[in-house]
Amino acid sequence: AIRMTQSPSSFSASTGDRVTITCRASQGISSYLAWYQQKPGKAPKLLIYAASTLQSGVPSRFSGSGSGTDFTLTISCLQSEDFATYYCQQYYSYLLTFGGGTKVEIK
Amino acid sequence: EVQLVESGGGLVQPGGSLRLSCAASGFTFSSYWMSWVRQAPGKGLEWVANIKQDGSEKYYVDSVKGRFTISRDNAKNSLYLQMNSLRAEDTAVYYCARTIVATMGSYWYFDLWGRGTLVTVSS
Repeated sequence: AIRMTQSPSSFSASTGDRVTITCRASQGISSYLAWYQQKPGKAPKLLIYAASTLQSGVPSRFSGSGSGTDFTLTISCLQSEDFATYYCQQYYSYLLTFGGGTKVEIK
Repeated sequence: EVQLVESGGGLVQPGGSLRLSCAASGFTFSSYWMSWVRQAPGKGLEWVANIKQDGSEKYYVDSVKGRFTISRDNAKNSLYLQMNSLRAEDTAVYYCARTIVATMGSYWYFDLWGRGTLVTVSS
């Protein structure tokens, strides 16, 4: 199975910060990558698919980039509602796999 | 309202069985692949299984093959997961997820999730 590695696993940031989360695949996955946001006790929410396409209704401060093995999720101006855990997921292989998650905490 | 609502979770002994259900509403259920994704307490997400619109194709993560069976009833707008020979490591919140086939040559991601149902396997 394709292994997805996210970094960092957690970090602290302040409202208004620009933050970047990295996801690395163990083999090339083209642009077949999605990003999700999950808040405590809630279901995940799709943010981005095809590595850089924003899901309908998702604020434009979220953006994604990358292809092959290295991907990033950027939040341009962190808002209070963005403190959550973020997961990447590859869909290049039918054995779908997620990264371990990155928790964004309030500094 | 477009939503997915899971039910059927609970406490079960190792080796036991449980059947999860997911009721879909607000969209044409029969037009979508559907999936189950689980999350062990304090851990990350793990895809479990998915099923094609007409039930003709099913895929499973290796750890549940031969023990879990995914099925659907399009007339009832419902998705199911029959779980047998349950193990402690199956303890998790199980999410039902509407599944998108991205493009030819790729597979699936999830654009709508339910709130989940907790399955606890313990003696």
